[in-house]
Amino acid sequence: AQSVTQLDSQVPVFEEAPVELRCNYSSSVSVYLFWYVQYPNQGLQLLLKYLSGSTLVKGINGFEAEFNKSQTSFHLRKPSVHISDTAEYFCAVSVTSNDYKLSFGAGTTVTVRA
Amino acid sequence: NAGVTQTPKFQVLKTGQSMTLQCAQDMNHEYMSWYRQDPGMGLRLIHYSVGAGITDQGEVPNGYNVSRSTTEDFPLRLLSAAPSQTSVYFCASSPYRAVTDTQYFGPGTRLTVL
Repeated sequence: AQSVTQLDSQVPVFEEAPVELRCNYSSSVSVYLFWYVQYPNQGLQLLLKYLSGSTLVKGINGFEAEFNKSQTSFHLRKPSVHISDTAEYFCAVSVTSNDYKLSFGAGTTVTVRA
Repeated sequence: NAGVTQTPKFQVLKTGQSMTLQCAQDMNHEYMSWYRQDPGMGLRLIHYSVGAGITDQGEVPNGYNVSRSTTEDFPLRLLSAAPSQTSVYFCASSPYRAVTDTQYFGPGTRLTVL
């Protein structure tokens, strides 16, 4: 079975500074990878996903992530954050042979300060 | 489109009571699922459905029942509520394959079992 580890539970960052959220996964087979964001008191929404092809994936709101197969990682980055990026971020993984089950990490809370 | 809607937003139950969490989507999505979100544990899949009349268990199905009589609706039933079921519950839908298609999440139901 696949699993996901988000290495940081909380990341405080100043406005306009860069941020990186780390995600590692374990799986013996090919995977699909996702980052979802949850703003306060809302449901989750997709930021970006890696299915195949280029290992650098660009998403909404200026976020991007890089798939590194050798290091089994899918780290999320943004070069300059805004106050509105304060949210909880979830990494998720699924094996390509299973159509229906996503495994989510525990989440990383990003707090952006002025 | 309303997207994915969930009712109620908040609910307090006493141990042993039963209730149904409602979920509806108006996007004609085949795939629907229920997750629970607990602090430090991310989202865990409870049950899912790949179409009307078809349901299956996820990672943590015990204590919950589901049915899918229509494409639009996917209610989650708690048979006999326990304090361990205190959580935030999210319903999600996607066009077909949850693992490649974007999942659309509802706003959540916050359940407290006393």
